[in-house]
Amino acid sequence: DIQMTQSPSSVSASVGDRVTITCRASQGISSWLIWYQQKPGKAPKLLIYTASSLQSGVPSRFSGSGSGTDFTLTISSLQPEDFATYYCQQANSLPLTFGGGTKVEIK
Amino acid sequence: EVQLLESGGDLVQPGGSLRLSCAASGFTFNNYPMSWVRQAPGKGLEWVSAISESGSNTFYADSVRGRFTVTRDNSKNTLYLQMNSLRAEDTALYYCAKWVGSGIPNPFDYWGQGTLVTVSS
Repeated sequence: DIQMTQSPSSVSASVGDRVTITCRASQGISSWLIWYQQKPGKAPKLLIYTASSLQSGVPSRFSGSGSGTDFTLTISSLQPEDFATYYCQQANSLPLTFGGGTKVEIK
Repeated sequence: EVQLLESGGDLVQPGGSLRLSCAASGFTFNNYPMSWVRQAPGKGLEWVSAISESGSNTFYADSVRGRFTVTRDNSKNTLYLQMNSLRAEDTALYYCAKWVGSGIPNPFDYWGQGTLVTVSS
């Protein structure tokens, strides 16, 4: 199974800050990396697929990059509605696996 | 509008069984593979199972293989998860999720709101 490791597990930031979350795969997954956002009591929401493709309707302050084993999710200017937990997921092969999550909290 | 509505979650004793359902609407159900993903209280996401568009191919996480069975009824636009020999570690919110296109390497573009399974004596 492919292990996905996210860091940090939590980050405190202020509105307007630039936030970067990293995700590392235990083996190469090309660009088959997905990012989801989850708010408390809600289902995950698709943000980015194929490492860097923005899902329709997602604000452009979200961006993704990387390939192979190392990936990043960047929020260029944090907004109040962005405080949530973010998960990466490899889509290279079954079993699908997720990172442990990164909670973005208000500083 | 795409909707996925899970049901069937309950409190069950260890060793017991439960069947979850996911009623789909707003898209052509039999054109898409579907999946179950679970989230233990306060924990991260764990993929559980997947099923092809026709139902002829099924896939499972090692943690549930041999105990859980995924099926679908395309005439009823409904996805199921039969859960047997339940364990405390199966306690979680169970989501059904719709794949974009024909499955991996695509993402899940729609998720239900989840149904809670609690395994406890």
